[in-house]
Amino acid sequence: DADVTQTPRNRITKTGKRIMLECSQTKGHDRMYWYRQDPGLGLRLIYYSFDVKDINKGEISDGYSVSRQAQAKFSLSLESAIPNQTALYFCATSDFLSGTQYFGPGTRLTVL
Amino acid sequence: DQQVKQNSPSLSVQEGRISILNCDYTNSMFDYFLWYKKYPAEGPTFLISISSIKDKNEDGRFTVFLNKSAKHLSLHIVPSQPGDSAVYFCAASPNYGGATNKLIFGTGTLLAVQP
Repeated sequence: DADVTQTPRNRITKTGKRIMLECSQTKGHDRMYWYRQDPGLGLRLIYYSFDVKDINKGEISDGYSVSRQAQAKFSLSLESAIPNQTALYFCATSDFLSGTQYFGPGTRLTVL
Repeated sequence: DQQVKQNSPSLSVQEGRISILNCDYTNSMFDYFLWYKKYPAEGPTFLISISSIKDKNEDGRFTVFLNKSAKHLSLHIVPSQPGDSAVYFCAASPNYGGATNKLIFGTGTLLAVQP
């Protein structure tokens, strides 16, 4: 079984809809992250959380919100989706001691 | 302002030869560097890392070199295999573990290894 899972893997939605992307991990890591990948721009950090009570904005948090429901679960919400939020979204985890992050398989989101 | 730059969007190499992927960074506070490999429809997978106290780290066919004075790192793959064909991302962090643990990614280099 995968250590970091994301649901759904693909989603098509319309402008203005609320969308939630979910991430679960079995690695026992405290730290979790949400990134988006756009062609030619690499991965950019949206939000990150160092434990259940900690939420921090990343480089591109506008239009997004997150919830850390438990150590193993970190969800990303788009309150009112817009077409320029069409992208690949990745969840990642890491532990306190290591700088290495481990990624989920990604969610391809299309906003029409 | 791109703090981590991969100036070659793509690279094509013959099977068995050496692949060299390059990465430059601008922030002198970065002290931990990583390479990730990404296949289509999959998430990035960790490949190899290096801390700023070293100038070389080797793991099997993969070696990462760090030149702090030039703010440059490179990934060498020897020998290259068709299964190495993927997008390679360079990433940097201002802290190894510690307070921030945030990664800044480059834009990626698509490596194609020709049989």
